[in-house]
Amino acid sequence: GESVGLHLPTLSVQEGDNSIINCAYSNSASDYFIWYKQESGKGPQFIIDIRSNMDKRQGQRVTVLLNKTVKHLSLQIAATQPGDSAVYFCAETPWTDKLIFGTGTRLQVFP
Amino acid sequence: DVKVTQSSRYLVKRTGEKVFLECVQDMDHENMFWYRQDPGLGLRLIYFSYDVKMKEKGDIPEGYSVSREKKERFSLILESASTNQTSMYLCASSPPTSGKKTQYFGPGTRLLVL
Repeated sequence: GESVGLHLPTLSVQEGDNSIINCAYSNSASDYFIWYKQESGKGPQFIIDIRSNMDKRQGQRVTVLLNKTVKHLSLQIAATQPGDSAVYFCAETPWTDKLIFGTGTRLQVFP
Repeated sequence: DVKVTQSSRYLVKRTGEKVFLECVQDMDHENMFWYRQDPGLGLRLIYFSYDVKMKEKGDIPEGYSVSREKKERFSLILESASTNQTSMYLCASSPPTSGKKTQYFGPGTRLLVL
């Protein structure tokens, strides 16, 4: 079946550095992608999204890049802070309203 | 801001009990979803609903049922709880297909079945 995967299960960065979390997707029909952040014991929180007709979108301290040629999605967090420590999921939607989620990458921020 | 609430943060039930998990959203969203989340398995879709009184099976519907009598409320029912249903349950809602497909999640209910 179709799947959304992540290259690294855990990413450790120093406070102030930039973080890059990667995601590979497998369905070329996917037209919408989302990044979520999930802190321990909480539900996933929407961070940023991007449509397939774009290759870059910026938010506050976050940037999502989409490379449709290699089916790759990344989330860049600038000046990573301790509050960014969480599990990050990418999700794709090749169909109507259902999302396919990756298993997540844990981001650990060290002082 | 979108708000999705779930009736309980933590629940402890015994095997064989009937369990109700309630979810309410305040953004007039048509679509609502129930997921379970387990370590190493990510989010798995149990059931979803596009409208009142409508429901669709997700990837793992066995042992679960749902009810959507009102647009803002989507209930997940475990008819006879089993230990393998111990999990984190997450509810989500999203606007109709013509809009963005982003799903907004509640805080989750951590269910322990003894």
